[in-house]
Amino acid sequence: NAGVTQTPKFQVLKTGQSMTLQCAQDMNHNSMYWYRQDPGMGLRLIYYSASEGTTDKGEVPNGYNVSRLNKREFSLRLESAAPSQTSVYFCASTPRLAGASSTDTQYFGPGTRLTVL
Amino acid sequence: GENVEQHPSTLSVQEGDSAVIKCTYSDSASNYFPWYKQELGKRPQLIIDIRSNVGEKKDQRIAVTLNKTAKHFSLHITETQPEDSAVYFCALITSGTYKYIFGTGTRLKVLA
Repeated sequence: NAGVTQTPKFQVLKTGQSMTLQCAQDMNHNSMYWYRQDPGMGLRLIYYSASEGTTDKGEVPNGYNVSRLNKREFSLRLESAAPSQTSVYFCASTPRLAGASSTDTQYFGPGTRLTVL
Repeated sequence: GENVEQHPSTLSVQEGDSAVIKCTYSDSASNYFPWYKQELGKRPQLIIDIRSNVGEKKDQRIAVTLNKTAKHFSLHITETQPEDSAVYFCALITSGTYKYIFGTGTRLKVLA
């Protein structure tokens, strides 16, 4: 199993450009997450999908949209990139369904380093 | 909304000494408390977790304690080694939403 994969690994955008970050997992997990990591800020949740067909906002959703394409894939879209979105983006997945006892490990992808000029 | 505070932000210890990192939270219904380790340039990985019905859990040199009354949980690393140098994050699940909240991280340096 590859686990959680993310593409691309690195990306440089100009202000106003759009792009989609891809995430896929092959562990048959139900829940998937997108985080951004900035120095000194820890991991901040952007959006999550508790199960296929559902998405919910996290702590910092502004400027982003997500699509849970199927059980395996969860993409993050920046419609009009801004320098404040320069960050490392991590996708993660967990096995359990929404509403079940919340006791699951998060498995992270390798991250995407995004720079917006 | 739910919040978790993590202290200290940086911690330096001599090799062989113990390290303790503490997190406090506000939602008394939170019931799952994992700790993640992130080495430089790598992804976070789970090192230990604890559920709300348990007060302490150990795994070799690592232990986690939970005080639900005071709403805090701590990571304890004994006999620290240089390879323990990393950033450590606490986290919890917000009740009813299955939304993970992470602390801001502690950069641990083990000095040889």
